[in-house]
Amino acid sequence: SQELEQSPQSLIVQEGKNLTINCTSSKTLYGLYWYKQKYGEGLIFLMMLQKGGEEKSHEKITAKLDEKKQQSSLHITASQPSHAGIYLCGADFQGAQKLVFGQGTRLTINP
Amino acid sequence: DTEVTQTPKHLVMGMTNKKSLKCEQHMGHRAMYWYKQKAKKPPELMFVYSYEKLSINESVPSRFSPECPNSSLLNLHLHALQPEDSALYLCASSRGPTGRVAKGYTFGSGTRLTVV
Repeated sequence: SQELEQSPQSLIVQEGKNLTINCTSSKTLYGLYWYKQKYGEGLIFLMMLQKGGEEKSHEKITAKLDEKKQQSSLHITASQPSHAGIYLCGADFQGAQKLVFGQGTRLTINP
Repeated sequence: DTEVTQTPKHLVMGMTNKKSLKCEQHMGHRAMYWYKQKAKKPPELMFVYSYEKLSINESVPSRFSPECPNSSLLNLHLHALQPEDSALYLCASSRGPTGRVAKGYTFGSGTRLTVV
């Protein structure tokens, strides 16, 4: 979706390194969602952010929402092989009854 | 029960066949969605049902026909599909139809459809 720009499109990091994925919206957000997907499988919900400045963490993954910039970042600390997959940001916007997705970030973790 | 269940997991069908995909949730969610995902692309919305009524059809060809028999079930009827319709079909549900009432979207594991 052009409404959500996600970067980078792919990322290769060495195991143990930190990394950040960004998601920028061109519209006012109601909610910003992060999902992880293994190839050919369903979407695993990671986190939902709805308020500016909100920050949530799950294990070694932290997501933040900058309401002013309409941007969210997903940060993984000390990456592990289990973090490999496709990360998708999704958003629902004011006046729209649907969840749209960014293009996704394909994360590879090298041992 | 916090899951969305999709059946079948895999489906191979000919271009003249009629088949159906099924999606079920028991979370009391009142909005349900069908998404289509091609390889290396993000999911794309096809249909939205809100309180068992079709509220959004994203200009989907008529060979795809959605149905919501009750608040827990969502079907996608397939007829005369083309090979380019081969994709992962994902079902999702939310408490309400997006925005302030959605409170998150739960996705099923998908049906991998191959049209031959």
